[in-house]
Amino acid sequence: DGGITQSPKYLFRKEGQNVTLSCEQNLNHDAMYWYRQDPGQGLRLIYYSQIVNDFQKGDIAEGYSVSREKKESFPLTVTSAQKNPTAFYLCASSMGRQINQPQHFGDGTRLSIL
Amino acid sequence: GQNIDQPTEMTATEGAIVQINCTYQTSGFNGLFWYQQHAGEAPTFLSYNVLDGLEEKGRFSSFLSRSKGYSYLLLKELQMKDSASYLCAAEHTGRRALTFGSGTRLQVQP
Repeated sequence: DGGITQSPKYLFRKEGQNVTLSCEQNLNHDAMYWYRQDPGQGLRLIYYSQIVNDFQKGDIAEGYSVSREKKESFPLTVTSAQKNPTAFYLCASSMGRQINQPQHFGDGTRLSIL
Repeated sequence: GQNIDQPTEMTATEGAIVQINCTYQTSGFNGLFWYQQHAGEAPTFLSYNVLDGLEEKGRFSSFLSRSKGYSYLLLKELQMKDSASYLCAAEHTGRRALTFGSGTRLQVQP
């Protein structure tokens, strides 16, 4: 079945450590997105990519990095510079080339600090 | 800049109708999405409005007024499983990414 797969489901980070969250999609979507959600809050955009080998900062990019080397993959690295990383991280994808295309979400990764 | 407002919480009775409002102030507005999110799960797409008016999809309908910067999601014949958060999100012509409101947590009571 087509969809978006995020892994791991739960992740723990030690102080000063970088961690990478995986996001893979087999929907043949051009655009991919990373959001962060804090308890009781909406989603905030971290990074997004409209095509392979290109990505842009969202509203809260500081302390995060991404790559888009393949169409189906958009990994997010939470660096040690992100001082408050505990959150629910959601990856999404959409057709991208046309406007008005809904974003489809993965099941998310919960990141906590040890 | 972008600013999206929606009520934090609402309560309604099973079988009733509830309207969840959303107001937005955003530059380069293209359209408005509604998503449903159950606790601990990913959001799922409900509806999209780009033109003024009402879009109906079964028990769910969504309305948009571009001139007023206003949208609402209407849920009819409420069921217990409709208890969830409902997220309003604006699409921008420039970056093609969504700006989400904080969500409205709906509690359906028997």
